[in-house]
Amino acid sequence: DAMVIQNPRYQVTQFGKPVTLSCSQTLNHNVMYWYQQKSSQAPKLLFHYYDKDFNNEADTPDNFQSRRPNTSFCFLDIRSPGLGDAAMYLCATSSTSAETQYFGPGTRLLVL
Amino acid sequence: GESVGLHLPTLSVQEGDNSIINCAYSNSASDYFIWYKQESGKGPQFIIDIRSNMDKRQGQRVTVLLNKTVKHLSLQIAATQPGDSAVYFCAETDSGTYKYIFGTGTRLKVLA
Repeated sequence: DAMVIQNPRYQVTQFGKPVTLSCSQTLNHNVMYWYQQKSSQAPKLLFHYYDKDFNNEADTPDNFQSRRPNTSFCFLDIRSPGLGDAAMYLCATSSTSAETQYFGPGTRLLVL
Repeated sequence: GESVGLHLPTLSVQEGDNSIINCAYSNSASDYFIWYKQESGKGPQFIIDIRSNMDKRQGQRVTVLLNKTVKHLSLQIAATQPGDSAVYFCAETDSGTYKYIFGTGTRLKVLA
């Protein structure tokens, strides 16, 4: 059964055209994460929410924003995608600190 | 498009042999560790975890060993199968944070 769901699985956008990726979870976890993963690299944390408390990584570009309207859903907004933003975007959840982190299948973003 | 990624270390093993994948972690305060398997185009999949009060934990065909003295983690896969071919990441965290630090990853290739 799917526990962390990401839509769409593939997203094509144009340079500079805003795009939103979505994530939902059925685990009722408090913490939700967004990662960026480029080819042959480890996932890179962009930000995370503990409940509604937003935590941005220091090196996450301002171009990336996030929203969490409720426990189940979290969105990644890329305001003006550049070619360098083409990557796999992974959503993950955990119940609290030092507990298993579960990943979704990812959204592959292509920027033309 | 995506920038060229770093070359992942690769471990090639013969089908049926045992595999050992190593990871050096960075934070001596880390008290929870996870091994993930990531197949091409998919999100990381939880394999096994271990807490810092343990040295060894076994799952089905997998064993994780933790050496806190030298900050080293290993994943042993018994009787490696073609379906084990993937990239394996270790991740560490501590109870005082919600962030997970990922290792660089190892590509496992299973030779028939």
